[in-house]
Amino acid sequence: GDSVTQMEGPVTLSEEAFLTINCTYTATGYPSLFWYVQYPGEGLQLLLKATKADDKGSNKGFEATYRKETTSFHLEKGSVQVSDSAVYFCALSIGGKLIFGQGTELSVKP
Amino acid sequence: DADVTQTPRNRITKTGKRIMLECSQTKGHDRMYWYRQDPGLGLRLIYYSFDVKDINKGEISDGYSVSRQAQAKFSLSLESAIPNQTALYFCATSDSFTHEQYFGPGTRLTVT
Repeated sequence: GDSVTQMEGPVTLSEEAFLTINCTYTATGYPSLFWYVQYPGEGLQLLLKATKADDKGSNKGFEATYRKETTSFHLEKGSVQVSDSAVYFCALSIGGKLIFGQGTELSVKP
Repeated sequence: DADVTQTPRNRITKTGKRIMLECSQTKGHDRMYWYRQDPGLGLRLIYYSFDVKDINKGEISDGYSVSRQAQAKFSLSLESAIPNQTALYFCATSDSFTHEQYFGPGTRLTVT
């Protein structure tokens, strides 16, 4: 069945470090791919998305490229800030439903 | 005002009690969803509704029921709560074009 796998956390980085959170997916069709972010005590917010192969989604310095050949959608940011500390979820949309990865907790230290 | 609201935000209840969680949205979206979040498991879909007359089971619907009272309202019920239903519950909405989902702030439910 359709599924999403993310790298396990927690990920701890120093401020201004480079961030990569790996995400791979399995899908029978051609899903749209999303990254959502959950700040402490809040609901999920859409961070970025890509709807077809080779699309790059970007927002707030984060970016991810839809790689069909490797079935991946890795999240990257060149220089993280303390305010980026949150849980990040990769998800695919198929049939109007979202399937989420297990989430990766990011902690950024000053 | 928030686009997707959930009530209550926190609830503690006892095993065997019936409980209802409510969700309202002002985004004008047709589609609404209920998820539960457990540590290390991400979000799992309980039920979803693509319009007022459409209700569908998700991945983990056993022990839950829903009602879509209007386009803007979608409630989740636990008929007889059990401790392993202790979790964070989220409501979400989307339109039928972008498939982007917008989440409420969540309800933390504890069943003792």
